Amino acid sequence: QLQLQESGPGLMKPSETLSLICSVSGGSISSSSHYWGWIRQPPGKGLEWIGHIYHSGSTYYSPSLKSRSSISVDTSKNQFSLKLSSLTAADTAVYYCARAQGRYYFDSWGLGTLVTVSS
Amino acid sequence: DIQMTQSPASVSASVGDRVTITCQASQGIINWLAWYQQKPGKAPKLLIYAASSLQSGVPSRFSGSGSGTDFTLTISSLQPEDFATYYCQQTSSFPLTFGGGTKVDIK
Repeated sequence: QLQLQESGPGLMKPSETLSLICSVSGGSISSSSHYWGWIRQPPGKGLEWIGHIYHSGSTYYSPSLKSRSSISVDTSKNQFSLKLSSLTAADTAVYYCARAQGRYYFDSWGLGTLVTVSS
Repeated sequence: DIQMTQSPASVSASVGDRVTITCQASQGIINWLAWYQQKPGKAPKLLIYAASSLQSGVPSRFSGSGSGTDFTLTISSLQPEDFATYYCQQTSSFPLTFGGGTKVDIK
């Protein structure tokens, strides 16, 4: 059974760069049928797509975050990662990694990790 | 960007009720729409994709319909485990966008 697990710091300071890793088990990140994505959810609010990546390295980003975000994949470790720079309090959210099937429907999700940006 | 508008924002219902949630896209998305269920403190769960296809393992009381700009998620007979927040998502074009959510709570 596919499992995804986010890891990274829970507390960041404004202007810092967030680095999160998603470790995938029970399936290969090199699957030709899937993309791998990041979605976030501020406390008490809705879902926001950040971007996703194919195992070849092709990426797609939300325009609102594109200038600050970078998604990469490490097929040897079966992991993909997110970097988000110039953090502000508005970036405080639960960050989820997920697998996208077909036309970018997210069918498997990690548990999520809360990232708080505060001085 | 395609805006997704869900209604109502919240609905109070009883076990056994039929519940309908709507999602409207700001432009036509054919049938490129998914529905998710999210319980407090948990990750979203995919219920429906391609507007009306039931994800494996999801109970048949959940159904989706619609095309173009107007879509509906129906729970035919609400069960205790269905009290949650529901989100629609369009996958017609980038950026992928979600609706604001509909909270289904106990009447």
